[in-house]
Amino acid sequence: KAGVTQTPRYLIKTRGQQVTLSCSPISGHRSVSWYQQTPGQGLQFLFEYFSETQRNKGNFPGRFSGRQFSNSRSEMNVSTLELGDSALYLCASSSQTLGTSGGVQETQYFGPGTRLLVL
Amino acid sequence: ELKVEQNPLFLSMQEGKNYTIYCNYSTTSDRLYWYRQDPGKSLESLFVLLSNGAVKQEGRLMASLDTKARLSTLHITAAVHDLSATYFCAALGRGDMRFGAGTRLTVKP
Repeated sequence: KAGVTQTPRYLIKTRGQQVTLSCSPISGHRSVSWYQQTPGQGLQFLFEYFSETQRNKGNFPGRFSGRQFSNSRSEMNVSTLELGDSALYLCASSSQTLGTSGGVQETQYFGPGTRLLVL
Repeated sequence: ELKVEQNPLFLSMQEGKNYTIYCNYSTTSDRLYWYRQDPGKSLESLFVLLSNGAVKQEGRLMASLDTKARLSTLHITAAVHDLSATYFCAALGRGDMRFGAGTRLTVKP
């Protein structure tokens, strides 16, 4: 089974530009989540999409937006880039199944990340 | 506002020893996650804990959740060098997810 893929892997942009990052989940996974990791702020949750609907959302300004397509692929867009947007952006896809004890089991898989540098 | 506090932030262990990483969160949480990250790499999901009293084990790692105390623990048994990494916990609550600062674990021979 192919893993989670993210494109591009590396990106250099200048302040004020916009950027779109893409995430292709594992086949059959309907949930995609996005995260930002920086040395200063650590790991932060951006949003989660499930079946094309935003299900959860972190505390980020409106410049950060996302969407999910009918094939579960997701894109994240950042407009009017700032220097502080330089980060590793991670996406993860997940599936939920019934465990042996009857409870819900969630399994999450991460992509390799996109490193964005804003100059 | 959901806050997640993880400790210790740095942990140096001898191989073969046991230790516990603690993760406290401030408000009601729907799910508690544990992740591992190797230097320069992406995250690896270790455990997702969904209910009070949940305990999950994988190899030398065992995670538990006490929703009443708002506390999750990651217990390391008989540490080996391959466990050296940074471990993060994260709590999902009211639609938002917050991460702990991470515990950088070094296992020495």
